[in-house]
Amino acid sequence: AQTVTQSQPEMSVQEAETVTLSCTYDTSESDYYLFWYKQPPSRQMILVIRQEAYKQQNATENRFSVNFQKAAKSFSLKISDSQLGDAAMYFCAYRSAKGGSFNKFYFGSGTKLNVKP
Amino acid sequence: NAGVTQTPKFQVLKTGQSMTLQCAQDMNHNSMYWYRQDPGMGLRLIYYSASEGTTDKGEVPNGYNVSRLNKREFSLRLESAAPSQTSVYFCASMQGTSYNSPLHFGNGTRLTVT
Repeated sequence: AQTVTQSQPEMSVQEAETVTLSCTYDTSESDYYLFWYKQPPSRQMILVIRQEAYKQQNATENRFSVNFQKAAKSFSLKISDSQLGDAAMYFCAYRSAKGGSFNKFYFGSGTKLNVKP
Repeated sequence: NAGVTQTPKFQVLKTGQSMTLQCAQDMNHNSMYWYRQDPGMGLRLIYYSASEGTTDKGEVPNGYNVSRLNKREFSLRLESAAPSQTSVYFCASMQGTSYNSPLHFGNGTRLTVT
């Protein structure tokens, strides 16, 4: 099984500032997909952003962007202009592109983001 | 669109009792999943069904059984609940035809076993 590590259990950011959440993963595969999910207090899991490993260009969705470093097996999430509504648990997830395994998603342990007004 | 619907939202069981968590999706997705979420451990895969008629074990299948009743429905059964199964359970589905397809989650079931 692949391992996904989020080394920051909890982080805080001031409203309107920028914060980066870290994620590393362990894999021997060359092709895979990476995702960030947000879980607000409502418990709903919301897709934030996704990245294909074969793409060198970092994915961006409005205020959310990733820094994908394939060689380092790192996939960090940057949130710009943080808003109070960004306060949530954030989970990094890995999905294989290998036949037979591509249906499995592996999740990190999560980072709780606090946003201070 | 309802998306992924899980029932119930909350449940309290006594040790040894059984129950079934229900999940249905209306997105015509091929793959369905059951995860459990525990503090500090993220989401761990219990069982999944890549397509109608198939089921496979995930990381933590012990103590659970599943049924893929049809393409829409995927249920999780606890035959004899244990306190270690206290957790939040999520059902999810995925289209499965595109490699970058994300998981779509239900709103979870908070289960407490006393």
